[in-house]
Amino acid sequence: NAGVTQTPKFQVLKTGQSMTLQCAQDMNHNSMYWYRQDPGMGLRLIYYSASEGTTDKGEVPNGYNVSRLNKREFSLRLESAAPSQTSVYFCASSERPRTVLPDTQYFGPGTRLTVL
Amino acid sequence: QKEVEQDPGPLSVPEGAIVSLNCTYSNSAFQYFMWYRQYSRKGPELLMYTYSSGNKEDGRFTAQVDKSSKYISLFIRDSQPSDSATYLCASSGTYKYIFGTGTRLKVLA
Repeated sequence: NAGVTQTPKFQVLKTGQSMTLQCAQDMNHNSMYWYRQDPGMGLRLIYYSASEGTTDKGEVPNGYNVSRLNKREFSLRLESAAPSQTSVYFCASSERPRTVLPDTQYFGPGTRLTVL
Repeated sequence: QKEVEQDPGPLSVPEGAIVSLNCTYSNSAFQYFMWYRQYSRKGPELLMYTYSSGNKEDGRFTAQVDKSSKYISLFIRDSQPSDSATYLCASSGTYKYIFGTGTRLKVLA
């Protein structure tokens, strides 16, 4: 099993450019998440998806859109990148819905994004 | 104030030392408390979790929660260089799952 995979691993964008970060999991998990990790801020939830076709905003959703096309894949789109979106982005998945505890989250390797 | 606070370190210890990593949280509704380990340029991976107060042991690792003081601890016995990583605590309750900022640990051979 590959677990959670993310592409690309690294990306440099110019301000105003758009891009989509891809995430896939092969654990048949229902819930998927997008986080960003910044120094001194920890992991912050951008968007959450409890199942195919459903998405909910997290703590820092502004400037991002997501799409849960099927159970395996959850993509994060930056429509007009800004330097404040320079960060490391992690996708995660869990078997249970976010409201059912405990909720062990499995993380991908991350995408390092720099916006100039 | 952040709901989960964690000293960022870095913390350097000699091999074989006992390491104590700590977090505090402010939300009384949190019921589950997790510790994740994150190696450099990797995603976090779950080490262990505890429910409510008490201790949980797994090999060289012991997680401890004191709900009365809202204090979470992770102890690592006989620390090894391979334990060098960033350790993130996390607390969760219904609809919320909050991570601390992480403590960077370096175990010196």
